[in-house]
Amino acid sequence: AQSVTQLGSHVSVSEGALVLLRCNYSSSVPPYLFWYVQYPNQGLQLLLKYTTGATLVKGINGFEAEFKKSETSFHLTKPSAHMSDAAEYFCAVRPTGNQFYFGTGTSLTVIP
Amino acid sequence: EAQVTQNPRYLITVTGKKLTVTCSQNMNHEYMSWYRQDPGLGLRQIYYSMNVEVTDKGDVPEGYKVSRKEKRNFPLILESPSPNQTSLYFCASSLRGSGVTYNEQFFGPGTRLTVL
Repeated sequence: AQSVTQLGSHVSVSEGALVLLRCNYSSSVPPYLFWYVQYPNQGLQLLLKYTTGATLVKGINGFEAEFKKSETSFHLTKPSAHMSDAAEYFCAVRPTGNQFYFGTGTSLTVIP
Repeated sequence: EAQVTQNPRYLITVTGKKLTVTCSQNMNHEYMSWYRQDPGLGLRQIYYSMNVEVTDKGDVPEGYKVSRKEKRNFPLILESPSPNQTSLYFCASSLRGSGVTYNEQFFGPGTRLTVL
């Protein structure tokens, strides 16, 4: 079975500090990879995605993620946290086939 | 406006009373899917549909039914709801994509279901 692991269910950073949210997946072949953000009482919104090509992917709101095949990782980063970044973040994978698998989510708190 | 809509947004019901949560998208997407979100478990896929009359089970299909008679609609049916189906439900859709690209899913606003 496929799995997606997000290390740290809660992450706190100071405003202006680096944001690093970790995602590891299990897949025998490189999957399609996604990061979504969920603000309170809302649905999920795509931050960025990796399908093929360049392994460093840039998304909205200054976020980026790097696909590392050797580490089966797709960590999300942002150089400088903003208060508006406080939300729940989900990593998702689509291996071969038509199913999507989500991680358990990381709640990001930004401290002023 | 391109969107995925779900109704109702909130629902409180009792065990065994059949219910349907509707999902509709106006983007002509082939792929539609239902998820449930539970604390500590993230999102888990219930059912998905690749196109009209084509549906398949996700990871947690027990206790749920779906149908895809029209491209835009993908209702989720709970024939006999139980308290363990209390959850936040999301519908999503995407273009099917092919080859080297795969389009992301667009999510609805969610339906919070409580089964007493």
